[in-house]
Amino acid sequence: GENVEQHPSTLSVQEGDSAVIKCTYSDSASNYFPWYKQELGKRPQLIIDIRSNVGEKKDQRIAVTLNKTAKHFSLHITETQPEDSAVYFCAASSDNFNKFYFGSGTKLNVKP
Amino acid sequence: DAGITQSPRHKVTETGTPVTLRCHQTENHRYMYWYRQDPGHGLRLIHYSYGVKDTDKGEVSDGYSVSRSKTEDFLLTLESATSSQTSVYFCAISDDRAPFNNSPLHFGNGTRLTVT
Repeated sequence: GENVEQHPSTLSVQEGDSAVIKCTYSDSASNYFPWYKQELGKRPQLIIDIRSNVGEKKDQRIAVTLNKTAKHFSLHITETQPEDSAVYFCAASSDNFNKFYFGSGTKLNVKP
Repeated sequence: DAGITQSPRHKVTETGTPVTLRCHQTENHRYMYWYRQDPGHGLRLIHYSYGVKDTDKGEVSDGYSVSRSKTEDFLLTLESATSSQTSVYFCAISDDRAPFNNSPLHFGNGTRLTVT
């Protein structure tokens, strides 16, 4: 089955700096890559996603890039704010019943 | 937010007892999933369903069973709870009517289960 690895496990940045979280996947059949943000005690919520026919997608301060050849994708957050502090999860899925496989998460701490 | 309700929200039970968690959706989505979340492991798929009475195993299905008798309800049963099943359990749904084959998961609020 699919194996998704995520790095780093923790990331601390100063407010206003950029943050980058990286994921790799193993199954070349994976074709959809969402990112979720989970605040303490809350459910994971989708923040951005990318499909395999696109190399980059941007939504205001967040962007995701995908390199299908290398099987890795990354989340970029610019101009970080304290409210960006949360745990972020990457995931990968294929057309096989829309099953998602998640990375182990990155705890982002944005220091004011 | 997607209409997903999990019950109970919290439960404490003893080792060896059966436990059933319920997920109810009002979105009429075909796909439903149960995940467990543990520190350092992210979210791991327990079981999923692709229609009424159609279910299959995920990555960590041992000790769990599921049932889906109606589109809106997906039940997760721990047949004989063990301490290793102490976790936060999330139900999720996904829309199969999207223009693409894949569409994102939408999660319920989770059930915190403690097995003593």
